[in-house]
Amino acid sequence: VMMTQSPATLSLSPGERATLSCRASQSVSSNLAWYQQKPGQAPRLLIYGASTRATGIPARFSGSGSGTEFTLTISSLQSEDFAVYHCQQYNDWPSGTFGQGTKVEI
Amino acid sequence: QLLLQESGPGLVKPSETLSLTCTVSGGSISSRSYFWGWIRQPPGKGLEWIGSINYSGTIYYNPSLQTRVTISVDTSNNQFSLRLSSVTAADTAMYYCARDATYSSMDNWGQGTLVTVSS
Repeated sequence: VMMTQSPATLSLSPGERATLSCRASQSVSSNLAWYQQKPGQAPRLLIYGASTRATGIPARFSGSGSGTEFTLTISSLQSEDFAVYHCQQYNDWPSGTFGQGTKVEI
Repeated sequence: QLLLQESGPGLVKPSETLSLTCTVSGGSISSRSYFWGWIRQPPGKGLEWIGSINYSGTIYYNPSLQTRVTISVDTSNNQFSLRLSSVTAADTAMYYCARDATYSSMDNWGQGTLVTVSS
């Protein structure tokens, strides 16, 4: 399963809404996760099951979609949210495949 | 708090074998609910799953790397390890270990270790 993220880069200002897309080459049901990665840091799980926030993740992060089309929304960007976001399908776990990432920049 | 920490050489020569260990603290690697995985990220590129293992030694490998990868577990030391043979420059990457929730996502990651393949 190939995962395609768009856009590659998203340029926004603090307080704005961010909408990131992830498309699967075939249906992955709701078996999709989103990760946030800041420079020099490991990825951090944000969302699993397409829409369930991981422990400690703020409510401004939300995920939606199923099948082949998924969206990560950050309702109001905070300074600490500028990072790279990866989607991962795990429908054929453990062979989970990742997208190429979307960079959210100021 | 669960912590994972990768360790191993940061420089490996072409054709040799890359060896890394992940030490788990703050939790048991023998938990039946989890696998333990290796993921890598070449500079400027996306993440690639390498393989996962559980406490009993059940192992899954990425088919694209299967002929060169060996993952093992040491429950007595709460560690698991990665060996990648016949490395080339294409294997230069940040290597991460992570807890892999069975049939779900990777919910805890190590900080990663950069491995460069160069003579």
